[in-house]
Amino acid sequence: DSGVTQTPKHLITATGQRVTLRCSPRSGDLSVYWYQQSLDQGLQFLIQYYNGEERAKGNILERFSAQQFPDLHSELNLSSLELGDSALYFCASSVQSSYNEQFFGPGTRLTVL
Amino acid sequence: GQQVMQIPQYQHVQEGEDFTTYCNSSTTLSNIQWYKQRPGGHPVFLIQLVKSGEVKKQKRLTFQFGEAKKNSSLHITATQTTDVGTYFCAGPRGAQKLVFGQGTRLTINP
Repeated sequence: DSGVTQTPKHLITATGQRVTLRCSPRSGDLSVYWYQQSLDQGLQFLIQYYNGEERAKGNILERFSAQQFPDLHSELNLSSLELGDSALYFCASSVQSSYNEQFFGPGTRLTVL
Repeated sequence: GQQVMQIPQYQHVQEGEDFTTYCNSSTTLSNIQWYKQRPGGHPVFLIQLVKSGEVKKQKRLTFQFGEAKKNSSLHITATQTTDVGTYFCAGPRGAQKLVFGQGTRLTINP
């Protein structure tokens, strides 16, 4: 158990819909990262937050957005969903920065039909 | 931008054989991190190497960081079925972003 929690575990929805994925970081960790992993693919960095502020963006689509709340939990919002958005979405946390080891949550498997 | 390349993409071995995966960065890294993802699981941190030429061992796993801090390797001696999974290397790109290699998927024939 990494100490990072993600909900829901599975999500099945239709094209055009909007979903919210939730992540609670490990206690004491200030940085939260979101990654997308498609079938048999690597980890694509989406976005990073540090202590409530957005710090870095990767290949995140304009249809996707995220935020980190004062209690440090984070949400990833995916809208106007397309079939190609079906993937595993991982949240990870670290003490401060990418120089530190990251602890990954169990992931949310999103299926868009 | 910074890229991290990993080879091979796939490796199938007989149980008891050795396994090595290689990681190369287009730029000098401040550190290199290795993660393992079991089938159906999430990435789990294995180790971090910081110093040029550093070698670290974890039981049957040996991790090396190149002298130029641009490449790294993970070697597993006498693989066991519990070693099955995908091994990722990753290097920081600034303080905000960790760039992952594409991973090496290891499968083992018992």
